[in-house]
Amino acid sequence: EVQLVESGGTLVKPGGSLRLSCEASGFTFSKAWMSWVRQAPGKGLEWIGRIKSESDGGTPDYAEFVKDRFTISRDDSQSTMYLQMSGLQSEDTAVYFCTTPLFKTPNYWGRGTLVTVSS
Amino acid sequence: DVVMTQSPRTLAVTLGQPASISCTSSQSIVYTDGNTYLNWFQQRPGQSPRRLIYTVSNRDSGVPDRFSGSGSGTNFTLRISRVEAEDVGLYYCLQGAHWPPYTFGQGTKLAIK
Repeated sequence: EVQLVESGGTLVKPGGSLRLSCEASGFTFSKAWMSWVRQAPGKGLEWIGRIKSESDGGTPDYAEFVKDRFTISRDDSQSTMYLQMSGLQSEDTAVYFCTTPLFKTPNYWGRGTLVTVSS
Repeated sequence: DVVMTQSPRTLAVTLGQPASISCTSSQSIVYTDGNTYLNWFQQRPGQSPRRLIYTVSNRDSGVPDRFSGSGSGTNFTLRISRVEAEDVGLYYCLQGAHWPPYTFGQGTKLAIK
């Protein structure tokens, strides 16, 4: 059974930093291009970025709005993807989801982890 | 960035009746490999999103056959042939032909009339 478990979400002050984790099981994580998607309270889905498999270069791509603030990385030995966030602002308050490849079959999502940015 | 525009934004449908959601892209989303990377997702209240349809018209495993996708170029449609109570929620289209970024539509809220 495929499982994606996000963790690390918490209350953080404006300007602060946070690292989210996405632990995967039930599939060959090392071969998967993984994505982060977020959803602000009462708002729609927003793609943050993705990271390719190491065999495809292991490089990340990002949405423009997070460039230079967020970094996606992966540790295939731990079947885990990370989202390092810095310079957090109130508009970054959201549930953060990790997903398996969005355009390949099958596609799975985690339950998400809530990040709240507030003083 | 490719802008995805969904309509309507809200939809109230009688149980057993059909429903249709439109998604229009600001440019063609046919990729260089010839595939059209347009997905549809459902998000039930309090749940994570779930993909229903990939590459325009392919249903994901376990998705009821009352859901179907169609379209080409810049215009796409998700249809539900007979709405059931469990279909209540939000629906999003997503393009993946021009990246980064992948871009979602704003979402359509489906309710029961």
